[in-house]
Amino acid sequence: QSALTQPASVSGSPGQSITISCTGTSSDVGGYNFVSWYQQHPGKAPKLIIYEVTKRPSGVSDRFSGSKYGNTASLTISGLQAEDEVDYYCSSYTSTATYLFGTGTKVTVL
Amino acid sequence: QVQLQESGPGLVKPSQTLSLSCTVSGGSIISETHYWTWMRQRPGEGLEWIGYIYYSGTTYYNPSLKSRVIISVDTSKNQFSLTLRSVTDADTAVYYCARQFFQYWDYWGQGNLVIVSS
Repeated sequence: QSALTQPASVSGSPGQSITISCTGTSSDVGGYNFVSWYQQHPGKAPKLIIYEVTKRPSGVSDRFSGSKYGNTASLTISGLQAEDEVDYYCSSYTSTATYLFGTGTKVTVL
Repeated sequence: QVQLQESGPGLVKPSQTLSLSCTVSGGSIISETHYWTWMRQRPGEGLEWIGYIYYSGTTYYNPSLKSRVIISVDTSKNQFSLTLRSVTDADTAVYYCARQFFQYWDYWGQGNLVIVSS
């Protein structure tokens, strides 16, 4: 199974909105509403920011939102802030009862 | 607040066995709603799911690693463990343990870097 495809980098200016895509297949992203997103600071463990495509855990800023269309899920960060300049990974449940992660996206705040 | 902490050697020789433990605090590993998972991240790369265990001992592994992996649980110690046999330099990675709730991971350990080198 191949990793889910994410853009290597996405950039935006402070206050802008950016969107990170996560593309899979009908056997993973497209087949289930079990996409989650993680934020990872350098040298730290990933932190859950979105689960089940659109849901936000308690304590996570409402500037983060998730969506899905077909085989592509997306994470949108609105009101971009300097602290958002870290790595983001998507994950999906698959038809073989395993889990795939995305290739990862580095967000740059210009 | 649930916390997970990995422990184990940071250096393993090629062809030998990697063994890590994850101690859970702030909550019981005996939970009907959680699975206990191992993942890894090679240097500069993305995350890879290794497998999970339920408190009863039921396991499920990544098919690409299944022949070399064993995940076990010790409920008396509130701990679960990872064993990876016949390691190569491709197994050099930060290994994370995490708590799985439904199809996502809500609590993670800080990670344990394991380098495979002679």
